[in-house]
Amino acid sequence: AQSVAQPEDQVNVAEGNPLTVKCTYSVSGNPYLFWYVQYPNRGLQFLLKYITGDNLVKGSYGFEAEFNKSQTSFHLKKPSALVSDSALYFCAVRPPSGGSYIPTFGRGTSLIVHP
Amino acid sequence: NAGVTQTPKFRVLKTGQSMTLLCAQDMNHEYMYWYRQDPGMGLRLIHYSVGEGTTAKGEVPDGYNVSRLKKQNFLLGLESAAPSQTSVYFCASSYAPGGGYYNEQFFGPGTRLTVL
Repeated sequence: AQSVAQPEDQVNVAEGNPLTVKCTYSVSGNPYLFWYVQYPNRGLQFLLKYITGDNLVKGSYGFEAEFNKSQTSFHLKKPSALVSDSALYFCAVRPPSGGSYIPTFGRGTSLIVHP
Repeated sequence: NAGVTQTPKFRVLKTGQSMTLLCAQDMNHEYMYWYRQDPGMGLRLIHYSVGEGTTAKGEVPDGYNVSRLKKQNFLLGLESAAPSQTSVYFCASSYAPGGGYYNEQFFGPGTRLTVL
């Protein structure tokens, strides 16, 4: 069975500082990994995905994520945080083959960027 | 292109009442999903569908039923609402895997349901 862990319920960072939102996963085979963002009172929006290839994946709004196979991690990063980045962030994983290809989501991490 | 829409946006029910939540997508997606979101619990999959006329149970299917009679619509029904079903419900859709698609999902704006 696949699973995702987001070890921090909340991350606080000052505007202009780099941010990291952590995600670790467990899945059979090579994973497909996703990050989504949810702004208040809105649905989730797709940010980026890792399928194969370069371990550093770039996505929307200046976000990027680093895939680390040995540590089974897919941390979300941004070099310089904005107050407008404050939101709930979800990591998701699905196996590359087999079954119904339904992703599994982490519990989410609330990012708060202070002015 | 409206994407994924959900009806209604808000609803208050009394225990034992029934209702249907409607999800519609105009992207010709094969896969559709219903999730509920509760504080501290993240997103939990209720039911999903991999194509018109098909449905399958997710992580928390009890107390819910679904139907996918048309490819663009996915209905979630509560036959006898309970306070434990108070939640925010999200519908999502995606292409089937393959052909360059990998299940990245498109989400609707959510339905906030309160059961008294």
